[in-house]
Amino acid sequence: GAGVSQTPSNKVTEKGKYVELRCDPISGHTALYWYRQSLGQGPEFLIYFQGTGAADDSGLPNDRFFAVRPEGSVSTLKIQRTERGDSAVYLCASSPDVSDTQYFGPGTRLTVL
Amino acid sequence: KNEVEQSPQNLTAQEGEFITINCSYSVGISALHWLQQHPGGGIVSLFMLSSGKKKHGRLIATINIQEKHSSLHITASHPRDSAVYICAPRKAGNQFYFGTGTSLTVIP
Repeated sequence: GAGVSQTPSNKVTEKGKYVELRCDPISGHTALYWYRQSLGQGPEFLIYFQGTGAADDSGLPNDRFFAVRPEGSVSTLKIQRTERGDSAVYLCASSPDVSDTQYFGPGTRLTVL
Repeated sequence: KNEVEQSPQNLTAQEGEFITINCSYSVGISALHWLQQHPGGGIVSLFMLSSGKKKHGRLIATINIQEKHSSLHITASHPRDSAVYICAPRKAGNQFYFGTGTSLTVIP
């Protein structure tokens, strides 16, 4: 079946702009995670959803970052007033439940010029 | 000090060799992922385990929760095993945190 998909695969934007990154999880997966991976580093936790609610958003670096999952399926990560330091690969993963193995999407490479 | 330490950071092996990658973590956890990341970025979950040992094909993962240590073993290594292997313990609250990975290169 279809895996986790993320769009766009690449996004180039200018400093100060607003961006939205989309994640389509595997159908039926209730848990959805967002991570950020900088070059040469392991992924860094940002936020996870259980259903429609953000169960833990402690990894969001500041209030420029926000994520939603209004219907418990697709999620959007929103970044306001982008900064060059936001450049990274943003990864999404989903799992049937929080205690299960996670399935990762291919990521969105964000470049802030 | 990082909460997750992996060793070695880089590893080169000849095809057929037995490989061990180690992961130590500093906080209490409920489970631990081993992930594989190929060049180009795709991440695949290899194992999630909370105790003992799991085996899948040529891959074996072990964990000792009390000693805060896990190992990933690859038997009869093959060039297609070349990738970055990442250890990701799960803290209370279901938040995962990640090591920086071990870069493995298997030479034919």
